[in-house]
Amino acid sequence: NAGVTQTPKFRILKIGQSMTLQCTQDMNHNYMYWYRQDPGMGLKLIYYSVGAGITDKGEVPNGYNVSRSTTEDFPLRLELAAPSQTSVYFCASSKDRGRDGYTFGSGTRLTVV
Amino acid sequence: EDKVVQSPLSLVVHEGDTVTLNCSYEVTNFRSLLWYKQEKKAPTFLFMLTSSGIEKKSGRLSSILDKKELSSILNITATQTGDSAIYLCAVEKGVGAQKLVFGQGTRLTINP
Repeated sequence: NAGVTQTPKFRILKIGQSMTLQCTQDMNHNYMYWYRQDPGMGLKLIYYSVGAGITDKGEVPNGYNVSRSTTEDFPLRLELAAPSQTSVYFCASSKDRGRDGYTFGSGTRLTVV
Repeated sequence: EDKVVQSPLSLVVHEGDTVTLNCSYEVTNFRSLLWYKQEKKAPTFLFMLTSSGIEKKSGRLSSILDKKELSSILNITATQTGDSAIYLCAVEKGVGAQKLVFGQGTRLTINP
């Protein structure tokens, strides 16, 4: 059971480039989330999804887009990367209001130069 | 604006000491409070608290929620070097999806 898998683990982008961060879960969880974590800060919610075909904005959605075509996959798209998007990105999933909290992926460290 | 504040931000103690980490919150539509441990990579779940005054315990770690004071504490007794990590407090809010508002974390260092 792989849990939540994120790729890539590291990436360096130039300003203005685009990329997609991949996230897949094999636990049949309904809810999926994208968070970013800046140094010395807690995690901030970018986007979330309550099921296939349904997504909604979190606290810091600007500069990002998501889609949820299947239960398993929840990719995060960065268009026109900016230095302010340098961060560690975590994908997570939960089964409804899971009593075990989230299951997190191992993170993607993104640097925009 | 929703806010979760942890204190202290950083703590250094000796192995065997007992530590108490604090979390206070101002969040609309509170549903639960969660504690996570973050070592090198992804946070791992420790506790979820929904009712005031009930202690959740797992080995040397325990946590209590005080809904009247809008706060929670995480206690670690007989600390070990393996307890060194960032401890994150998060509050679940709203309806539907389990949206979390995180505090900035407490960096705990246990020296041998």
